[in-house]
Amino acid sequence: GAVVSQHPSRVICKSGTSVKIECRSLDFQATTMFWYRQFPKQSLMLMATSNEGSKATYEQGVEKDKFLINHASLTLSTLTVTSAHPEDSSFYICSARDLTTSTDTQYFGPGTRLTVL
Amino acid sequence: SQKIEQNSEALNIQEGKTATLTCNYTNYSPAYLQWYRQDPGRGPVFLLLIRENEKEKRKERLKVTFDTTLKQSLFHITASQPADSATYLCALAIDGYSSASKIIFGSGTRLSIRP
Repeated sequence: GAVVSQHPSRVICKSGTSVKIECRSLDFQATTMFWYRQFPKQSLMLMATSNEGSKATYEQGVEKDKFLINHASLTLSTLTVTSAHPEDSSFYICSARDLTTSTDTQYFGPGTRLTVL
Repeated sequence: SQKIEQNSEALNIQEGKTATLTCNYTNYSPAYLQWYRQDPGRGPVFLLLIRENEKEKRKERLKVTFDTTLKQSLFHITASQPADSATYLCALAIDGYSSASKIIFGSGTRLSIRP
């Protein structure tokens, strides 16, 4: 089945630095990818929809200047957490849909654990 | 307000029994509904999808029902095994069937199957 990868899987950074997370669709093209964050023992919260070649669409309450999204190709979307603070520590997960299948299946990456000290 | 609720935060059952998880939603008209499994520290894994015009869908030991009048989906695991222990997430696709349709998740139910 289709695979979505994320890199890095885990990152620890100092407060005030920026962190980039990559999301790749490995064997299919994705015009749209999605970014979620998940706090411990909570569900996934949709942050934004990443659109290839155009601006991302952010959910209410998500700061677009804080969470920069770039979808430069049909297989790569990046999320940059700018000037990270401890409250940004979370599990970030991306997903993409393989439109060549008939099942509307959305594939999720393995997630990136961000810890801001 | 729009909500997706899963019946319980945690569910513990005996191995071999059928586990039944509930997902209720309000103020959505989803094009389809999905169930995912999530293990600790991992991304969700897709299990089943059921469309708005379908009543029931099966896959091996899994069964999903979808009642758009009640705005409810039931997820069943028959002959449950300890390996089925995980968090199960209900998710709705809103904004239609396009590639950009959003998937919104419920709070999840942590299922534990005891030997």
